Amino acid sequence: GNSVTQMEGPVTLSEEAFLTINCTYTATGYPSLFWYVQYPGEGLQLLLKATKADDKGSNKGFEATYRKETTSFHLEKGSVQVSDSAVYFCALSGAGSNYKLTFGKGTLLTVNP
Amino acid sequence: DAGVTQSPTHLIKTRGQQVTLRCSPKSGHDTVSWYQQALGQGPQFIFQYYEEEERQRGNFPDRFSGHQFPNYSSELNVNALLLGDSALYLCASSRLEGQGGSPLHFGNGTRLTVT
Repeated sequence: GNSVTQMEGPVTLSEEAFLTINCTYTATGYPSLFWYVQYPGEGLQLLLKATKADDKGSNKGFEATYRKETTSFHLEKGSVQVSDSAVYFCALSGAGSNYKLTFGKGTLLTVNP
Repeated sequence: DAGVTQSPTHLIKTRGQQVTLRCSPKSGHDTVSWYQQALGQGPQFIFQYYEEEERQRGNFPDRFSGHQFPNYSSELNVNALLLGDSALYLCASSRLEGQGGSPLHFGNGTRLTVT
């Protein structure tokens, strides 16, 4: 079956540091890949997505590239802010089915001023 | 434009009881999915409703059931509650359009505590 493995947290960074959160996946066929963010006390918000190999998703300074050869979708940001502190989830969905997402366990990011 | 709304926000129940959680999808959305998020874990897919029918189900026992109404809102019912059912229950909505549909929009969840 499908599975997502993401970097264990927590991750603590200083403001303006570079961020990488690793994510690898196992799936049949060609899944779509997502990063969701969850702020304290809130539901999940879609951060970015990529639907085919070599696609780069980007939003709010975050980027991730769909690498089929390494089955990875690592999240990066060049300069984090305190407001980026949240839990980040990597997820995938099977082809033609975006409502059934398989999530990783999440990575807690704390950014200190 | 209201997003996905869930009620109640918090709920405390006793083992063996039954619970009903409610969800109103984002305006224009016709598909509702439910997820269970245990503490410190990623959400797990319970089931999805479209056109008032359960279309796909995750690995959850029959104690978990649902319903979708003609106005697209949905309920999640859990019978014979166990301590392990304590979790954040998330509702997500989308439009079932074409291949892959539209992105999921999540509500803020219902925090269920079973004592």
